[in-house]
Amino acid sequence: KQEVTQIPAALSVPEGENLVLNCSFTDSAIYNLQWFRQDPGKGLTSLLLIQSSQREQTSGRLNASLDKSSGRSTLYIAASQPGDSATYLCAAWMDSSYKLIFGSGTRLLVRP
Amino acid sequence: DGGITQSPKYLFRKEGQNVTLSCEQNLNHDAMYWYRQDPGQGLRLIYYSQIVNDFQKGDIAEGYSVSREKKESFPLTVTSAQKNPTAFYLCASKPLADSNEKLFFGSGTQLSVL
Repeated sequence: KQEVTQIPAALSVPEGENLVLNCSFTDSAIYNLQWFRQDPGKGLTSLLLIQSSQREQTSGRLNASLDKSSGRSTLYIAASQPGDSATYLCAAWMDSSYKLIFGSGTRLLVRP
Repeated sequence: DGGITQSPKYLFRKEGQNVTLSCEQNLNHDAMYWYRQDPGQGLRLIYYSQIVNDFQKGDIAEGYSVSREKKESFPLTVTSAQKNPTAFYLCASKPLADSNEKLFFGSGTQLSVL
């Protein structure tokens, strides 16, 4: 059974710091992996999608990597800003088309 | 603007009552999904639909029902059989069920029990 784990559950950093959020999965046979951002009481916003054949994706100050062999993905946020404060979730798409397994998220606070 | 619209934003259910959450998309997506989110937990799949007039149970379908009569609409009914319905409900869609594309989400409905 696929499990997706995100550690730490919460993180507080000062503004301007570079940071890494971690996501691990137990089954390496993933189809692709997607990172989302969720603000309190809001829906999810897709940040990056990494296909299983790719090793990383970049969008602005965000960079996501995928290492299937070790069962890990990381989301790197450069020069963090208070506006980055939110919960970040990773989700692994399994080989069957509908099966998206979510981690429980990392709650990020960037202090001014 | 293209997107997914969920309504209402807040919904209250009395004991023994069925309530329906609306999800409408104008993205021309074939696949639509309903997820439930409890505090501090990841999302869990309730139902999904790959195409009009077809839908399948997810991991926690008991106490819920759906319909997919139109491509753009995928309403979720929380029945009285769902004994713990308080949660944040999220609707999502993507172009094709088996496509390697991003999943898009609506803004959610918070359901609470009176």
